[in-house]
Amino acid sequence: EAEVAQSPRYKITEKSQAVAFWCDPISGHATLYWYRQILGQGPELLVQFQDESVVDDSQLPKDRFSAERLKGVDSTLKIQPAKLEDSAVYLCASSLAVEDTQYFGPGTRLTVL
Amino acid sequence: GQQLNQSPQSMFIQEGEDVSMNCTSSSIFNTWLWYKQDPGEGPVLLIALYKAGELTSNGRLTAQFGITRKDSFLNISASIPSDVGIYFCAGPSFFGNEKLTFGTGTRLTIIP
Repeated sequence: EAEVAQSPRYKITEKSQAVAFWCDPISGHATLYWYRQILGQGPELLVQFQDESVVDDSQLPKDRFSAERLKGVDSTLKIQPAKLEDSAVYLCASSLAVEDTQYFGPGTRLTVL
Repeated sequence: GQQLNQSPQSMFIQEGEDVSMNCTSSSIFNTWLWYKQDPGEGPVLLIALYKAGELTSNGRLTAQFGITRKDSFLNISASIPSDVGIYFCAGPSFFGNEKLTFGTGTRLTIIP
């Protein structure tokens, strides 16, 4: 069964360092999402791509976060510089189209020290 | 913005018991989704509801779309150990951009 792949699964970094997370969606899925899930809360959308274009990044802290999906397939989310409050699980999800079921990856657990 | 409040926050039950949880919104939703998240994994869609009053089952799970369109309920019958996890309700923005808002989650624990 096709799955959304994410790496790394775990990342520990010191504050002010740069970190990057990678997501490979299910093949053929045009829509890709990055969510942040703080411990004890539900996921919160950071950015949504339709193919290679950003369609919603209203909740992305753009002073330190960036996301790209250059060829409309896999995607990278970067944080620079990392802050203590960025500690969370970063989930990637994909769907065939915007209105279709979102399938989530296992997430990257980020700890900022 | 929209908020989804789930209750209870956590549940401790014995295997075989039935479970009920609910989700309420400050605004109307046109679709209700219920997800389950296992430790170290991403959420997995359990049930989707598309119409007010709709009652939908998936095995031992039954979910209902509230008549007011501001709430939804999830029931699990005859719980088993693999039901352990966090259950989230979610819904797309009423304003059509399909951005999902997730609830605060209900953590289900089964006491041996």
